[in-house]
Formats: sequence, structure tokens, C-alpha cells
Amino acid sequence: GAVVSQHPSWVICKSGTSVKIECRSLDFQATTMFWYRQFPKQSLMLMATSNEGSKATYEQGVEKDKFLINHASLTLSTLTVTSAHPEDSSFYICSAPRAKNIQYFGAGTRLSVL
Amino acid sequence: TQLLEQSPQFLSIQEGENLTVYCNSSSVFSSLQWYRQEPGEGPVLLVTVVTGGEVKKLKRLTFQFGDARKDSSLHITAAQPGDTGLYLCAGAEGGYQKVTFGTGTKLQVIP
Repeated sequence: GAVVSQHPSWVICKSGTSVKIECRSLDFQATTMFWYRQFPKQSLMLMATSNEGSKATYEQGVEKDKFLINHASLTLSTLTVTSAHPEDSSFYICSAPRAKNIQYFGAGTRLSVL
Repeated sequence: TQLLEQSPQFLSIQEGENLTVYCNSSSVFSSLQWYRQEPGEGPVLLVTVVTGGEVKKLKRLTFQFGDARKDSSLHITAAQPGDTGLYLCAGAEGGYQKVTFGTGTKLQVIP
């Protein structure tokens, strides 16, 4: 079964609204989680590293005020897309490392902004 | 930013054929992972290679890590329709879990 749960799996929202995506490690603790974005027919691009108890680390070109990350506990990280616009429509995926060289991915969240 | 280039980008073959996917970089990685992703789902880890020159086999899949730990290959023998998907390599630095994904290879196996 899944060891990393991501919710929701699909969300449609109006332009200008905010959307929160949750990523949970189900049977292990993750002090670090990663958030990726994937456009159709493309690979995964790392957006940010979520750190429990401290600020997230964002990759170059990713707006931290637009993509708010909160690592509330050792099993939960959230990504909030603020004031979403159609160009934010994408497939967002989280991952959590369980051990060295072993990383589990969530099933992804498809965001459609109208 | 480290780049991992995969080739080919797209591959459509008949069931039973063999194929090889390549993953190349100018950077050295401490480990390299291969994933398969199906539409609308997250990537699933297939294998991790750590040692330069290492070869790992997973049923009909053979993975090789280059001697210099800059490149890797995935060979599939007698491909089956169930092998259809997006194959991604990903390189990791040191003991840190942050990985950089390759550009991806979309494989279609026709029955």
C-alpha cells in the first residue's frame, strides 16, 4: 500500500483562489519532504524542500510567496498555491525519504485553475 | 543546476523487442535511481545504483551505473505492454535525499 499519501488527487478552482495540498508520510517520520511540479509530457521539476521545524528551501525561480510550504509535523507537509492562475495548472507531487536512497512519492495532485 | 539528459525521449516498440534507455550527465552522482511513472500517478522506484560500474537486474530489466558515476542505462528484454510508461532517472548527491530528475523517456509497447 501507499506509504506517502497526497490529498486531494484532483482539484479545480477559480482564478485568484488559494489551494492547499497535503502530503503525509503514513508509517514513518519525515523531517524532510520534497515538492515537485510536472507539466504534461515533461519530467519532474523540484520546487522546494520542506523542512520540519524550519523554513522551506525553494529552488531558483520558484516564488516562495506564491507557493507556501508548511511542514507542520514529522508526518505532514502542506503546499498552498496562493492566488492561483491558469498558468499554475499542473501536476504537483510530493515525496518523502524513508532511508538513504529510498524515497517514496505521493500519487500527485492535478490542479486545474479556471 | 545539474542536468540529466535521457535518450531517447520517445520510444514505440512491438511486444517482444529489446530496448535501452540512456541517462547522461556531466556531473558525478553518489547514487542514481530509476523510476517508472504511469499517467496521473507518482513515480515508483525501480532501482538504486550506487557503485560505479554496478549492474543490477530486476527480472527483465537491467540497470547499469557508469564507471565514473555520471551516466546510467536501463535495458529491457522482451518488452511487454505492461512496461509502457514514463521512465525517469534521478541523480542524488551525497547522503542528501534531494534528487535531480532526468528529462524522461516515454515508452510505448504495442501488443
